[in-house]
Amino acid sequence: AQTVTQSQPEMSVQEAETVTLSCTYDTSENNYYLFWYKQPPSRQMILVIRQEAYKQQNATENRFSVNFQKAAKSFSLKISDSQLGDTAMYFCAFHYSGGGADGLTFGKGTHLIIQP
Amino acid sequence: ETGVTQSPTHLIKTRGQQVTLRCSSQSGHNTVSWYQQALGQGPQFIFQYYREEENGRGNFPPRFSGLQFPNYSSELNVNALELDDSALYLCASRFGPGPQSSYNEQFFGPGTRLTVL
Repeated sequence: AQTVTQSQPEMSVQEAETVTLSCTYDTSENNYYLFWYKQPPSRQMILVIRQEAYKQQNATENRFSVNFQKAAKSFSLKISDSQLGDTAMYFCAFHYSGGGADGLTFGKGTHLIIQP
Repeated sequence: ETGVTQSPTHLIKTRGQQVTLRCSSQSGHNTVSWYQQALGQGPQFIFQYYREEENGRGNFPPRFSGLQFPNYSSELNVNALELDDSALYLCASRFGPGPQSSYNEQFFGPGTRLTVL
């Protein structure tokens, strides 16, 4: 069974600052995918960024990037030039790539607050 | 292209009752997953349906059951409701399964907030 741990229940930064959210996971699998999802107060979960475990290059999506350390089983999310609209719950998630019949395994989330 | 929709938005039931929640998948998606999100927690995988059959299940008892219809819409049924069933229920759709399908983005609906009294 996989587990995902997010050790920061809440973080608060000023607008335009850079913030890094931590995520570690535990698995015996070698091929898998990792995701960061954002859940704003409206509740609708939105994909922020994803990473294939067999790719060494870190994924980037505009202001969002990850630091993927496979050996350390670490998958942190960096948000650059943070904006007020980034305020939300952020969930790290794991998905085994063995056929897709398993669901996503989520962490407990980090509540990110961007202060004006 | 319409997104994932869920109904109802909110629901209040009493312990022991039965409830049905509904989900309409995003156009072109053939796989639907259901998640339970308790307050202050991350979502937990309940089960997944592909082509009208359950093909994956999390650690939930049999009183949680589901259906997927030919148009890929889905229902989640919960029998004998317990107080701990109070949660946000999320539906997610994607195109899958298959070896690479786990990488496919799952599109989530806004959820149904279930309160059990």
